[in-house]
Amino acid sequence: NAGVTQTPKFRVLKTGQSMTLLCAQDMNHEYMYWYRQDPGMGLRLIHYSVGEGTTAKGEVPDGYNVSRLKKQNFLLGLESAAPSQTSVYFCASSPDFPYTDTQYFGPGTRLTVL
Amino acid sequence: AQSVTQPDIHITVSEGASLELRCNYSYGATPYLFWYVQSPGQGLQLLLKYFSGDTLVQGIKGFEAEFKRSQSSFNLRKPSVHWSDAAEYFCAVGPSDGYNFGNEKLTFGTGTRLTIIP
Repeated sequence: NAGVTQTPKFRVLKTGQSMTLLCAQDMNHEYMYWYRQDPGMGLRLIHYSVGEGTTAKGEVPDGYNVSRLKKQNFLLGLESAAPSQTSVYFCASSPDFPYTDTQYFGPGTRLTVL
Repeated sequence: AQSVTQPDIHITVSEGASLELRCNYSYGATPYLFWYVQSPGQGLQLLLKYFSGDTLVQGIKGFEAEFKRSQSSFNLRKPSVHWSDAAEYFCAVGPSDGYNFGNEKLTFGTGTRLTIIP
């Protein structure tokens, strides 16, 4: 099993450009999450999904959209990138309610917005 | 709302010395508690978790943590650190009051960076 994979690993955008980050998991997990990690702020939840076709807002959803069309994939979109979205983005998945099981993390995507 | 505080931003210890990383949580009931480790350039890996029962929890890589309800704490310990333990450590809390769409998420602390000196 590859676990949780993220594409791309690095990306540089100009302000106003759009992009999509892809998260894929091969563990048949129901739950998937997108976090951003910024220095001194730990991980903050952007959006999450409790199953195929469902999504919900996390702590910092503004400026991001997500889609979960297939159970194994969770896409994070930036429609008009801003410098404040420069961050490291982590995807995670878990097989059951996250407070009864473990979240498995991908290796991260480092995004710079100029 | 649940919250997690890791009061130490950065800790430096000598290789072979003991380690304790502090974590305090705020939650109305007994939460589910986790410690994750992040090595440089990597994603997060679960070290250990507490759901119920014995308040001293053993994890991977020789780590343990103790849940103390009276202090709202879940401190991580290791008796003798190795150079490979240098990383960032995150405490996290999750709800334990049953499934309710919208409260499934974990809340992470801001992390403690551990440096090991020879």
